[in-house]
Parts: sequence; structure tokens; C-alpha cells
Amino acid sequence: AQKITQTQPGMFVQEKEAVTLDCTYDTSDPSYGLFWYKQPSSGEMIFLIYQGSYDQQNATEGRYSLNFQKARKSANLVISASHLGDSAMYFCAMRDLANAGGTSYGKLTFGQGTILTVHP
Amino acid sequence: DAGVTQSPTHLIKTRGQQVTLRCSPKSGHDTVSWYQQALGQGPQFIFQYYEEEERQRGNFPDRFSGHQFPNYSSELNVNALLLGDSALYLCASSWDRGLKNTGELFFGEGSRLTVL
Repeated sequence: AQKITQTQPGMFVQEKEAVTLDCTYDTSDPSYGLFWYKQPSSGEMIFLIYQGSYDQQNATEGRYSLNFQKARKSANLVISASHLGDSAMYFCAMRDLANAGGTSYGKLTFGQGTILTVHP
Repeated sequence: DAGVTQSPTHLIKTRGQQVTLRCSPKSGHDTVSWYQQALGQGPQFIFQYYEEEERQRGNFPDRFSGHQFPNYSSELNVNALLLGDSALYLCASSWDRGLKNTGELFFGEGSRLTVL
């Protein structure tokens, strides 16, 4: 079974500073994908960044980068130059990619989340 | 281009009642997944529908059932409501062939169910 652990219930950062949100995972699947989602108070889950287990380079999307350390089974999210609008709940999630035929059913396993608060 | 839309946004029910939640996927998407998110927790996978059939199911009792229509929209039904069913119910849509790649899911804003 897949498991995602986010050990930081809450994080605080000063505006314009960088922040790292931790995520560790556990899986026996040889092929998997790792995701980060942002959930503001409205409830919608907003996709931020994706890392495949066989990707050679760490993923980056604008101010977001994923520090992927496969041997340590960690996939930390780094947000550079924080904005006030970055204040939200952040979830790390995992999906198995190993289904036969190249079609994965897309079930995501989420962590407990980290509440990020950006101070002015 | 409308994203994933869910209705109703909020609703209150009493124990033992039944509820139906609705989801319209993003245009071009053919797969719908449902997640339950209890307060302060991460979302939990309920089930996924593709080609009008339940393709995968999480660890939820049979009180939770669903349906997908020919236009790809979906319903989530919960019977015999319990206090513990109070949660945000999220619908996520995707394109089946896209799932083998980034597998990006597009989520709606959810339906917040309160059971009294």
C-alpha cells in the first residue's frame, strides 16, 4: 500500500522568503508519480507540480520546485519568493503508474497536509 | 472553458437520510473520481468512473455508490447517513489517456456535507 507522510502540520514564512514543505512516501511500486496540490479556503485542489519516479531531473514550475530524493523516498516542495496568496493548505500525493497497458486509473493517495502561512 | 463544477456547494442532512452530489467534468475529460475530505485531513479516494462503470474503489462501504452518465457527468450517492460522513466531497476529472502521463486531476471546489 502507498503511504504519504507530511510531518509539518503548520509552517510560517516571511513574504519574499523561500520555504520548504516536507513529504516522505512509502511504496513498493517500481513506477509512481508524486504530486503537490494547493488547497485554499475555497476548497478547490490546485495542481502545482509533478515528478515521475524515473524522471532524471527535479521538476520545476515557476516558483515551485520539487526536491526529489528517490533513495530517501522524499519529495519536498520548495516555494521561492513567497507571496501572501501562497497561504493555504498544501498536500503531497502519490499515484501508482505501473498498471498494465499504459493506462493508470489515477487513484491518488494524499498526505495529511501542511498549512502554510505567509506573513507580510 | 468551464472547469469541474459540483453541486450543491453546501448541504445539511440528518442521520439516516440519503444524499446525492453531482459533478460535471472539465470539457474533454471522460473520467471522474470522487474523494472524501474530513476536516483537517487529506482527501480519501472513494471511487472512479470511466465509460459509465465503476473502475476502481477505495475502502468505503456500500452505502457509497455512484453513477456516470453518457455525457461523463457523475453522481455520488450516500445512503443511511452517519455523523462521520460529514466532510467535503471533491470531484476530480481527467482524460483517461492522460492518466498514464502526468496524471493531472482537475478538482472542483467540492460539496460540503454536514450530517446532524
